[in-house]
Amino acid sequence: GENVEQHPSTLSVQEGDSAVIKCTYSDSASNYFPWYKQELGKGPQLIIDIRSNVGEKKDQRIAVTLNKTAKHFSLHITETQPEDSAVYFCAASSNTGGFKTIFGAGTRLFVKA
Amino acid sequence: NAGVMQNPRHLVRRRGQEARLRCSPMKGHSHVYWYRQLPEEGLKFMVYLQKENIIDESGMPKERFSAEFPKEGPSILRIQQVVRGDSAAYFCASSLNGQSPDTQYFGPGTRLTVL
Repeated sequence: GENVEQHPSTLSVQEGDSAVIKCTYSDSASNYFPWYKQELGKGPQLIIDIRSNVGEKKDQRIAVTLNKTAKHFSLHITETQPEDSAVYFCAASSNTGGFKTIFGAGTRLFVKA
Repeated sequence: NAGVMQNPRHLVRRRGQEARLRCSPMKGHSHVYWYRQLPEEGLKFMVYLQKENIIDESGMPKERFSAEFPKEGPSILRIQQVVRGDSAAYFCASSLNGQSPDTQYFGPGTRLTVL
């Protein structure tokens, strides 16, 4: 079946450094790629998303890039802060066989002060 | 503009009892999705419902689990005869039109503990 692979599973960075999380997807018909941040004890919150007709999108310290040819997309967080520490999930959506959103396994980000 | 609401936030049940989890989607959303999350793990899709219809239940166990989204009222995920392995966080999400691109917005989750 369709799947989304996410790497790394754990990422530890120093405050102020950048963090990059990468995902690959298998369904070439995927056309929407949201990213979620989940803090301890809470539900996932959408932080940024990108559609397949765009290669890059930026919102303050976070940016997402998409390479449709390689079926690869990435989340970039610059100038990391301790409050960025959380679990991040990527996802890929398509209408193949009906609307489906496949989530990656998550990346646990630790930002050390 | 209220987001997705779930209740209860915490639910404790003994083995063999029933658990009922409720989800009210965001205003204007008619598509609801249920996910299960075990500690330290990712989100596992269970079921996708539209008002009065189950669209995709491929991730839901065939026995003991059922879901509904009636014309009026919240969506309900029902687990009968709970076992310890059902202990998890259950998240509900809602979306506007059920066709990609379409954003799913998540609720705060219900944490089920089976004693």
